[in-house]
Amino acid sequence: GEDVEQSLFLSVREGDSSVINCTYTDSSSTYLYWYKQEPGAGLQLLTYIFSNMDMKQDQRLTVLLNKKDKHLSLRIADTQTGDSAIYFCAERYSGGYQKVTFGTGTKLQVIP
Amino acid sequence: GAVVSQHPSWVICKSGTSVKIECRSLDFQATTMFWYRQFPKQSLMLMATSNEGSKATYEQGVEKDKFLINHASLTLSTLTVTSAHPEDSSFYICSASDRGVFGSGTRLTVV
Repeated sequence: GEDVEQSLFLSVREGDSSVINCTYTDSSSTYLYWYKQEPGAGLQLLTYIFSNMDMKQDQRLTVLLNKKDKHLSLRIADTQTGDSAIYFCAERYSGGYQKVTFGTGTKLQVIP
Repeated sequence: GAVVSQHPSWVICKSGTSVKIECRSLDFQATTMFWYRQFPKQSLMLMATSNEGSKATYEQGVEKDKFLINHASLTLSTLTVTSAHPEDSSFYICSASDRGVFGSGTRLTVV
């Protein structure tokens, strides 16, 4: 079955870079996503990458995809206190209704 | 961009009552909508997949008679939690299938 894993917690100092990692098991994924969830709020789509790409950059965000190792990462440059949230990676499958499976979420704490 | 509007944002109800949550796709048609729930400090778990004009497909362990899903049009899907109990208290989120776009979520508290 599909499985997406992330480390549970990451703490960084303001101004440093944050790297959040994610591993997945299903090689038939078509899109891989990063979502941000602030306390008590819904999910905010940050960025996504097609499975045939290996990198995507969007302002402070850089997504790296190693399809061979089934490893996805999100790098946040110049991390700010407003970046403190839970970050979920998710993969979408090519079969069926293309459902999305989420990782367990990584809580990012930014220390001023 | 594509937006999924979800209402209500939060609701408190008494045990035994039913609560309806709506998700509307704005500016696009959503043939398929996913419904997720999230327990505190946990990830999102897929509950069911709703398809316009047909019966929803429920994930294993999700009671279809308790969580009624209706997808009557290409822009509206609803989830009704029937005879709610405190253990149904959770965060419910919908998502349109072909977009990475979610509703803002509904926090349900059953007292």
